[in-house]
Amino acid sequence: EDQVTQSPEALRLQEGESSSLNCSYTVSGLRGLFWYRQDPGKGPEFLFTLYSAGEEKEKERLKATLTKKESFLHITAPKPEDSATYLCAVQEAAGNKLTFGGGTRVLVKP
Amino acid sequence: KAGVTQTPRYLIKTRGQQVTLSCSPISGHRSVSWYQQTPGQGLQFLFEYFSETQRNKGNFPGRFSGRQFSNSRSEMNVSTLELGDSALYLCASSAGVDNEQFFGPGTRLTVL
Repeated sequence: EDQVTQSPEALRLQEGESSSLNCSYTVSGLRGLFWYRQDPGKGPEFLFTLYSAGEEKEKERLKATLTKKESFLHITAPKPEDSATYLCAVQEAAGNKLTFGGGTRVLVKP
Repeated sequence: KAGVTQTPRYLIKTRGQQVTLSCSPISGHRSVSWYQQTPGQGLQFLFEYFSETQRNKGNFPGRFSGRQFSNSRSEMNVSTLELGDSALYLCASSAGVDNEQFFGPGTRLTVL
């Protein structure tokens, strides 16, 4: 069965203090790995999709990378508005089913 | 371009009742997926519909069902509600397979 594990569960950062979030996965056939951001009481907001090992994508202070067994979300010089729960999910070989990890709660203090 | 809309946003029901939730996908999107989010289990896949056909189903009991209409709007129904069904129900729309999925704001269901 597909498994997605995110670490750490929670992360407290000072503004400007860069860090990385980890998403490790076990799937039979990876079609895509997704990163989402979720604010309290809202639906997840799409950030990135990665399809193959070695792929990297960037958006403002966020950079996502993918290897054969894990993905990293790097947050460079974070600001308080980057505080959110970051979710990763894997898409199986067939269909649009996403299997989500438990998320990493990020709090950036000014 | 309008995003995914879900109605109602909040719902309170009692055990044993049934509930119907609605999702309107982004214009042009033909795939709608439903997820349940709880503090204990996180986000779990319920089912996916594409062109009015259920294409995938998660590990939920038969009390959870759904359908999709010809305009791609989707509904999910939960019968004989249990306390454990209290959750945020999210729908996501996609243009097809291997496309990004965009989530709606969710429906917060509370079962008393």
